This record gives sequence, C-alpha cells and structure tokens, in this order.
Amino acid sequence: RKEVEQDPGPFNVPEGATVAFNCTYSNSASQSFFWYRQDCRKEPKLLMSVYSSGNEDGRFTAQLNRASQYISLLIRDSKLSDSATYLCVVADDYKLSFGAGTTVTVRA
Amino acid sequence: EAGVAQSPRYKIIEKRQSVAFWCNPISGHATLYWYQQILGQGPKLLIQFQNNGVVDDSQLPKDRFSAERLKGVDSTLKIQPAKLEDSAVYLCASSLAAGQAGGYTFGSGTRLTVV
Repeated sequence: RKEVEQDPGPFNVPEGATVAFNCTYSNSASQSFFWYRQDCRKEPKLLMSVYSSGNEDGRFTAQLNRASQYISLLIRDSKLSDSATYLCVVADDYKLSFGAGTTVTVRA
Repeated sequence: EAGVAQSPRYKIIEKRQSVAFWCNPISGHATLYWYQQILGQGPKLLIQFQNNGVVDDSQLPKDRFSAERLKGVDSTLKIQPAKLEDSAVYLCASSLAAGQAGGYTFGSGTRLTVV
C-alpha cells in the first residue's frame, strides 16, 4: 500500500465551480499535513498547511480526518489560474511522503 | 531571498553514461533533500542531509547513485552508470530544519533524459 494515495483526476471544471478531492495516508502516526501545488514542468510549492480543526486560505479549504486518515482540499470559485497538480504531503518526524498528485483543469 | 539553485536545467545522456547534478540551498538552511520525480508520480526522497551528515538515504540506489554535501552547503548528486528508468526530474529542496514541510523550498529541478 502506498504511504499517500490520491485520486489522479483529472478534474475538469468550469470557472467559478467548486472542486474537492481527497488524499488518504497509511501511517496513523503521521504528524503534519500539507497541500503543495505543482504547475506543469515547475517545482512544487507550498499551498497550505492542514490543521486538525480545518483551515481556510482564501478560496481554499483544507480538512483533516485523523480517524479515517484522509485529508481533503476544496477550491471555491475556481479560477483559470488554479489549473495545476495538487500534491498531498504527509510528514512524520523528519520524513515527508508525497502523493502522486491530483490534476485540476479549470476551463473558461 | 535567493531560492534554491540547481544546475544543469536539462541533461540528455545515453544509458551507461555518468551524470552529476548540483544544488545550492538557501543560505542558512541546514537540511537539504534530493528528490526524484518520475513523470506522473509524486517526488520520492532519495537522500536527506542535515548539515553535511546523511539523515536518510534508504531509498537511494546506492549501486549507481551517490551524493555528497561537503562543508554542509552545496550538494552534488551523481548517477553512474545511468539507466533508462533514471529519466526523471531531480529536485533539490532545503529547509531550516528537518521535517519542516511548511518551510521547504524546492529548486527548479534538473530534467534528465536517458536514451
């Protein structure tokens, strides 16, 4: 079983739509959780951390469910610029594990 | 603040040849990582340095891959000899301390094609 699993998508949505996707992780002892964004042929960049109580950053909402070991990301009012691959990242101690990414394409 | 510098940006080599990549982390970042990202997959950690010591190299194919971080600053990753399956983007990242995924900065990567 992979340490971090994501639905690869692609999620193809119109501008203004809401899109949401999940990530599951296998290590119940994982301590920290993040969403990274990776544009085509670019390096990953931190989008947001994921806190136990859930957190928002503008149009982005992240949720953590430790009991079921999954993390979610919701994007409201999608923009063309949100088109990217979203990588789920799980950390325990010093080690980070990356998911394969969920591709989102926002169309005009 | 200058970012993580990597070179070369692209490299094409024939199988069985050797290749080396270079990374200069953000000044003051003690932790340096090398990741391999194969097309369609997430980054996979190859090796992690804390200053000039190795913290984790459990996924580094040591029969062909080697890495060093002399003086705890710059790092080089070498592949010798290369195989077709080594075609990937090699990403270097650094952080102030280990495990700070929120404080990671990635370089632009080196795109390796082995033919």
